[in-house]
Parts: sequence; C-alpha cells; structure tokens
Amino acid sequence: AQTVTQSQPEMSVQEAETVTLSCTYDTSESNYYLFWYKQPPSRQMILVIRQEAYKQQNATENRFSVNFQKAAKSFSLKISDSQLGDTAMYFCAFENTGNQFYFGTGTSLTVIP
Amino acid sequence: DVKVTQSSRYLVKRTGEKVFLECVQDMDHENMFWYRQDPGLGLRLIYFSYDVKMKEKGDIPEGYSVSREKKERFSLILESASTNQTSMYLCASSSPRGVPNEKLFFGSGTQLSVL
Repeated sequence: AQTVTQSQPEMSVQEAETVTLSCTYDTSESNYYLFWYKQPPSRQMILVIRQEAYKQQNATENRFSVNFQKAAKSFSLKISDSQLGDTAMYFCAFENTGNQFYFGTGTSLTVIP
Repeated sequence: DVKVTQSSRYLVKRTGEKVFLECVQDMDHENMFWYRQDPGLGLRLIYFSYDVKMKEKGDIPEGYSVSREKKERFSLILESASTNQTSMYLCASSSPRGVPNEKLFFGSGTQLSVL
C-alpha cells in the first residue's frame, strides 16, 4: 500500500506571510495523482490543488502552489499572502492507478492576525 | 451544485447496536468511499466500491461492512458497535480515473459516538 507522510502536525503563520507545508509519499507506481485538501472547522473537505505525476510543471491555483519533486517523492504546498480563512487542517493525498486515495495525517495550520 | 450527502451529522449509539451510516451522491459517480478520521491518524480507508453491488476492503475493514444496491447510495454498517469505533466518518465519491479534473468529492461527515 502507498503511504503519505506529513511531518508537521501543527504550523502557524502571520497573516500576509508565506508558509510551506511538507508532504512525502512512497510508491512504486509512475502514473499517479497528488492532491492537497483543506478541512476548515466546518469539517467540509475542500480540494485546494491537484497535480498529475506525468506533468513536470508545478500546479498553481491563485495563492496556492506546489513544489513537486517526483524523484524525491515530495509534494509540498506553498500558501502565499496567508489569510485568516486559510486556517484549517490540510491533508496531502495520493491517488494510485487503482483509483484509491491515500491520505496523510494532516497539518493543522493557524493564520495569526 | 454537486453533492455528497451523509444522512446524519452527529450520531450517538450504544455498544452492541447495529449502526447504519448512509451516503448519497448526485453526480452519477461510479466510485464511492468510506473513510474514518481520527486525530493524529488522518483519513483511513474502510471500504470502497467501483460499481453497484461491488465492494473492496480498504485498510481498516474489521468491524464494518458496506452495501451498494444503487449507484448513488453507499451505506456503511457497523454490525455491533464498539467504543473504539467512535470517530468521524467521511463518505466520498469520484469519477473514474482519467476524467479531466477528477477528484474526490466529500460529504460533511458523521461524528459517531459509541457509549
């Protein structure tokens, strides 16, 4: 089974600053997808960003971008210009060729006013 | 707006009770999943289904079963609830792999307490 590791249980960042959340994964597959999901206090899981492993270009969505290092099996999320609404639990996820999704243990991010 | 609906947001049950958690999606998705979420453990896959009447075990299927009689509905069953099944349960669905912008759509979760 694939494993996804998030080594930062908690992080904080000042409003308007930049923060990077780390994620590593382990797989023998070459064609897979990676995701970052956000879970605010409402508990609703929201997709932040998606990366296809065969694409070398890093995905970006407005203030959110990733640093995808396929050889290192690393997939970090950078949040620029942090806003109070970014306070949430962030989960890194991996989808294998069998359409199964595996999640990390999450990073709790607090944006400080 | 697309939706994955879980029947209960909060549920309190007694040890030994049979518990049904219902999930309905309106996106005509083939794939449906049940996860449990515990602090420090993230989301762990219990069961998933690729089609009606099909089911596959995930990483932690012990103590659970599932039912998928219709494409839109995927039920999680706790045959005899135990206190260690107190958790947040998340249902999700997705289109087949390779569909553009494919992703998991989640319900809002059911917080189950077993007393």
